[in-house]
Amino acid sequence: DTGVSQNPRHKITKRGQNVTFRCDPISEHNRLYWYRQTLGQGPEFLTYFQNEAQLEKSRLLSDRFSAERPKGSFSTLEIQRTEQGDSAMYLCASSLGSGSAEAFFGQGTRLTVV
Amino acid sequence: GEDVEQSLFLSVREGDSSVINCTYTDSSSTYLYWYKQEPGAGLQLLTYIFSNMDMKQDQRLTVLLNKKDKHLSLRIADTQTGDSAIYFCAESIQADYKLSFGAGTTVTVRA
Repeated sequence: DTGVSQNPRHKITKRGQNVTFRCDPISEHNRLYWYRQTLGQGPEFLTYFQNEAQLEKSRLLSDRFSAERPKGSFSTLEIQRTEQGDSAMYLCASSLGSGSAEAFFGQGTRLTVV
Repeated sequence: GEDVEQSLFLSVREGDSSVINCTYTDSSSTYLYWYKQEPGAGLQLLTYIFSNMDMKQDQRLTVLLNKKDKHLSLRIADTQTGDSAIYFCAESIQADYKLSFGAGTTVTVRA
């Protein structure tokens, strides 16, 4: 297992378009997290899953954002009607889910909305 | 985030020790972390400490926790050019839960 994998690494889209990102966690990791990081800031929590169940969503996650983890393995994050303010790095992380303190991050997807 | 604060920049000479400081506000913080981010990359977990510990050492890294003052520090011994990166302090109130991050400290190692 090579770690948390995110695709694509970079995405440029026009304002108003929809985009979808994918995250493949470390195998056997039950918990999966999405974060957003803007320039000069630390990552901010968006949402997380325990297997296929979405357990918590941040108020940052507007109605235009939706995340799924249908089979409890990979996850997708969709942004509808993108805005320039959505430009950021979207980071995915996973943890074992059995009392583990360690969360491992992917390389991120950098979104640029033009 | 506003609950975790770090100084923004640190410049250190190669071979010296680096000390990066962090303060947090949530007294319920149970796990405290240090992550490293290199340009254009994701976050690499360096180390973490449980709140009932006051020190943890792992090779060149030493973490000190002052729970009373809610102060965390990361010391890097014998700093190398490869240590140039942004270092994030983060906290969580429980295992397998969301992290709250500081804004990061940019460490520059000069020859």
